[in-house]
Amino acid sequence: QQQVKQSPQSLIVQKGGISIINCAYENTAFDYFPWYQQFPGKGPALLIAIRPDVSEKKEGRFTISFNKSAKQFSLHIMDSQPGDSATYFCAASTNYGGATNKLIFGTGTLLAVQP
Amino acid sequence: GAVVSQHPSRVICKSGTSVKIECRSLDFQATTMFWYRQFPKQSLMLMATSNEGSKATYEQGVEKDKFLINHASLTLSTLTVTSAHPEDSSFYICSASGTALPYEQYFGPGTRLTVT
Repeated sequence: QQQVKQSPQSLIVQKGGISIINCAYENTAFDYFPWYQQFPGKGPALLIAIRPDVSEKKEGRFTISFNKSAKQFSLHIMDSQPGDSATYFCAASTNYGGATNKLIFGTGTLLAVQP
Repeated sequence: GAVVSQHPSRVICKSGTSVKIECRSLDFQATTMFWYRQFPKQSLMLMATSNEGSKATYEQGVEKDKFLINHASLTLSTLTVTSAHPEDSSFYICSASGTALPYEQYFGPGTRLTVT
């Protein structure tokens, strides 16, 4: 029940296209859903995050769509660029506002944007 | 803002020796720090959670006597891998969260440990 399932495992998108990565969870106590971007040999960087009281959040070319009833959330990267090529992880946590929130990570999606 | 550093970025040590990795929050006070390990092409695995001034809480299956964690100040946590073995070779990443935005974790750049 603590798992976060992520798909696809890998994704190839043409430059300018839309990249879509999906995640699903079981634990209804999760109340914070961030997405992280990781380049090879680097630590993950927080990209965008959402709480379950909203269905969508947009920051630049990145949008999170959240479906509370389906317990699913997704990352959309509009106008994908070669520089977006990286591994993307979704995550979820409980205890919003608490000091020891633990992140449960998805398995990751390796995105390759072809020029 | 919210910058986390790690030192060293890479370390090679001989089997049986110990190695210490530092994690620092540079521009905020980190009430909680987390240590992860990541194997190639895999996700992050949480090893332990530490609050400043308290003993770390280890995840199931993580040997606390092998992976010593100290969080002595609001800006520094250390992970010491004791009696390292080749199977301990991995990418170790720390993250930190503070009181201002406690639900957000900011990650360090990681430390590549190779045990020969």
